[in-house]
Amino acid sequence: EPEVTQTPSHQVTQMGQEVILRCVPISNHLYFYWYRQILGQKVEFLVSFYNNEISEKSEIFDDQFSVERPDGSNFTLKIRSTKLEDSAMYFCASSEAGGPTDTQYFGPGTRLTVL
Amino acid sequence: GQNIDQPTEMTATEGAIVQINCTYQTSGFNGLFWYQQHAGEAPTFLSYNVLDGLEEKGRFSSFLSRSKGYSYLLLKELQMKDSASYLCAVRDSNYQLIWGAGTKLIIKP
Repeated sequence: EPEVTQTPSHQVTQMGQEVILRCVPISNHLYFYWYRQILGQKVEFLVSFYNNEISEKSEIFDDQFSVERPDGSNFTLKIRSTKLEDSAMYFCASSEAGGPTDTQYFGPGTRLTVL
Repeated sequence: GQNIDQPTEMTATEGAIVQINCTYQTSGFNGLFWYQQHAGEAPTFLSYNVLDGLEEKGRFSSFLSRSKGYSYLLLKELQMKDSASYLCAVRDSNYQLIWGAGTKLIIKP
């Protein structure tokens, strides 16, 4: 069964450094998403991406964040100048389309620890 | 504001039935999802409701009442592996998924 994959599974970085989290969505999916989940808290939407551009973003997704689809398979989330409060699990998801009936399938997540 | 409420924690016995409730107030409604999340893992899709009524999928069923802003997830014949958090999420008018905090379900033998 096709699945979303993410690398690395765990990233440790120093405050102020830049990190890039990588995702490979399911191959025939067209919509891609990033979410984060701070330990013990709810899942929070960051951004959705379609046709090589951002379609929606939340208030969390400020200038510190950017997304890119550098090639036909990868979808990346870049966090510039990381802060302690960026420590969280980051989940990538993809869906076949973006309509109301389309289910999002999640990758296993990257645990980001900012020291 | 947008709000999704679920009980924080529930306990049930192996082999029994449990119902996890979710109430929501969102800007628009484009479907309600239930996901299962084991500790430290990604959410996995369980069910989707966009019309009122019951959707059955094996041991799991999900119910929706749009007029009441209410859904429940029903788990039958509970197994130990069902111990997990169950997340209710609503897709709003911007097609963003708004998530509840999750209900931690503890199954006892």
